Amino acid sequence: GNSVTQMEGPVTLSEEAFLTINCTYTATGYPSLFWYVQYPGEGLQLLLKATKADDKGSNKGFEATYRKETTSFHLEKGSVQVSDSAVYFCALRGGKLIFGQGTTLQVKP
Amino acid sequence: KAGVTQTPRYLIKTRGQQVTLSCSPISGHRSVSWYQQTPGQGLQFLFEYFSETQRNKGNFPGRFSGRQFSNSRSEMNVSTLELGDSALYLCASANRDLNSPLHFGNGTRLTVT
Repeated sequence: GNSVTQMEGPVTLSEEAFLTINCTYTATGYPSLFWYVQYPGEGLQLLLKATKADDKGSNKGFEATYRKETTSFHLEKGSVQVSDSAVYFCALRGGKLIFGQGTTLQVKP
Repeated sequence: KAGVTQTPRYLIKTRGQQVTLSCSPISGHRSVSWYQQTPGQGLQFLFEYFSETQRNKGNFPGRFSGRQFSNSRSEMNVSTLELGDSALYLCASANRDLNSPLHFGNGTRLTVT
């Protein structure tokens, strides 16, 4: 069945550092891929999406490219801020939405 | 456009009781999904409803049930509560496209004592 694997956290970075959170998936067909972010005490917010191979999703300085050849959808940001501290979830949808286990990001000033 | 609204935000129940959680989707969205989030198991899919019909179901016992009304609002019911049911329950809505993103509410935090 479909599945998503994320790098384990927590990830701790200094402000303005470069961020990469790895995400790989296993799926049949051509699912859409998403990154969600969850701040403390809140639900999940859609961060970005990509619906087909080679699509690049981007939002608020975050980017991820749908790589079918490596079945990956890694999240990147060139310069993180303290306000980016949250839990990040990679997910795929080909019907129901399936999540990775989440990666906690802590950014220190 | 108003987002997904879940009520109540917090609930405290005793083992053996039952509970009903409510979800109002984004206007125009006819798909509603429910997820359970716990520190140990992460985000687990409960079920999805579309136009009042259950379209998908996760691997939860029959104590977990749901329904959707003609206005797309949805309810989730858990009967005979167990301590392990303590979790954040998230509702999400989407349009009819099976590859469209889900939009989540802020969840209902259920504590079973």
